[in-house]
Amino acid sequence: DAKTTQPTSMDCAEGRAANLPCNHSTISGNEYVYWYRQIHSQGPQYIIHGLKNNETNEMASLIITEDRKSSTLILPHATLRDTAVYYCIVRVGFNAGNNRKLIWGLGTSLAVNP
Amino acid sequence: EAGVAQSPRYKIIEKRQSVAFWCNPISGHATLYWYQQILGQGPKLLIQFQNNGVVDDSQLPKDRFSAERLKGVDSTLKIQPAKLEDSAVYLCASSTRGVGNTEAFFGQGTRLTVV
Repeated sequence: DAKTTQPTSMDCAEGRAANLPCNHSTISGNEYVYWYRQIHSQGPQYIIHGLKNNETNEMASLIITEDRKSSTLILPHATLRDTAVYYCIVRVGFNAGNNRKLIWGLGTSLAVNP
Repeated sequence: EAGVAQSPRYKIIEKRQSVAFWCNPISGHATLYWYQQILGQGPKLLIQFQNNGVVDDSQLPKDRFSAERLKGVDSTLKIQPAKLEDSAVYLCASSTRGVGNTEAFFGQGTRLTVV
């Protein structure tokens, strides 16, 4: 079962920041948080991941609370092409091998409006 | 850089028939995954290969599903016989290492409809 809960849907105005929340209250100390998105009729696309510290790349920023029980994905200037389903995923498994896996939930459907 | 290639893009079959999907990962990627995505749900991992060896197939319905990755490159996923509940998008993904440390790149998927 997924270890994350997200809002079913959100709206955002084009050009504004989109803040997508995620709860992962049962996350363990060495489990990472990953974000992927899936545009309609396409395969998922990796966005960002993190463990404890906030992370930023060319696509987005990831803010993780100090207790690690929740996080927020920030798209700083949303465009119409950012309309997609956004998945917050906890990577389960601990060994430095290949039994680590991503358990996907239902995601948040983000609609960016003109 | 070429992405993950999958074929066919769409497939419609009758229940109890057989079907096969093909995946060509990104060149040099050792890890290959097959996911099943039912409409309205997130992807569910079916099987993970590291080169040509299986690392995780715990969620693969082995009575009807099979997968292979010959020579550690291309992979095929087969369903025999298909059931109505197998209707889904089958996604192939690849990464340079195990999913723990790197991003996975996904293909566009094969949409299977079982009637």
